[in-house]
Amino acid sequence: EIVLTQSPATLSLSPGERATLSCRASQSVSSYLAWYQQKPGQAPRLLIYDASNRATGIPARFSGSGSGTDFTLTISSLEPEDFAVYYCQQRRGFGPGTKVDIK
Amino acid sequence: QVQLVESGGGVVQPGRSLRLSCAASGFTFSSYGMHWVRQAPGKGLEWVAVIWYDGSNKYYADSVKGRFTISRDNSKNTLYLQMNSLRAEDTAVYYCARDPGAPGGEPTYYFDYWGQGTLVTVSS
Repeated sequence: EIVLTQSPATLSLSPGERATLSCRASQSVSSYLAWYQQKPGQAPRLLIYDASNRATGIPARFSGSGSGTDFTLTISSLEPEDFAVYYCQQRRGFGPGTKVDIK
Repeated sequence: QVQLVESGGGVVQPGRSLRLSCAASGFTFSSYGMHWVRQAPGKGLEWVAVIWYDGSNKYYADSVKGRFTISRDNSKNTLYLQMNSLRAEDTAVYYCARDPGAPGGEPTYYFDYWGQGTLVTVSS
């Protein structure tokens, strides 16, 4: 079973700043990794699949990178609506999430 | 547009059963794999089960194997989750989600559209 870990647990930033979120897999998952955004009271939203492909309708400020065991989600310039929890996911497993909150 | 609407949640005693439904619209339901994903209150996401587009294959998380059954009725564009022998730890919001895999192909285990979720509370 592949275990995903995410860091940091919480990221406190201001609007306009760059956010860098990390996800690490316990063994290689090639590029089979997705990122989701979840806001309170809402269902998750697919942002990135296959490590670096933006899902339909996702703004260009969201980008994903990495392969093997180390992955990164980058938000180039935080908008007010980007403050949320972000999960990485590989097949049947999810990471514990990173909360991006307003500093 | 793609819509997934869950129903059937509620409060149930431990050991009892409940069946969730997910009504799909806006896409060719019979061409896509479908999943159930759950989220306990204040916790992270947990994948529960997947069913192939034609119902030919079904897989479950170890935590629900033998107790939950995923099924679908492609003539009614509806996905189901039959939950038996419910436990307190099954308390969660249950989401149905579409797999974006190629129509008629194997699931990718990504989730591109989600329902709004239905809350299941297992309590005496």
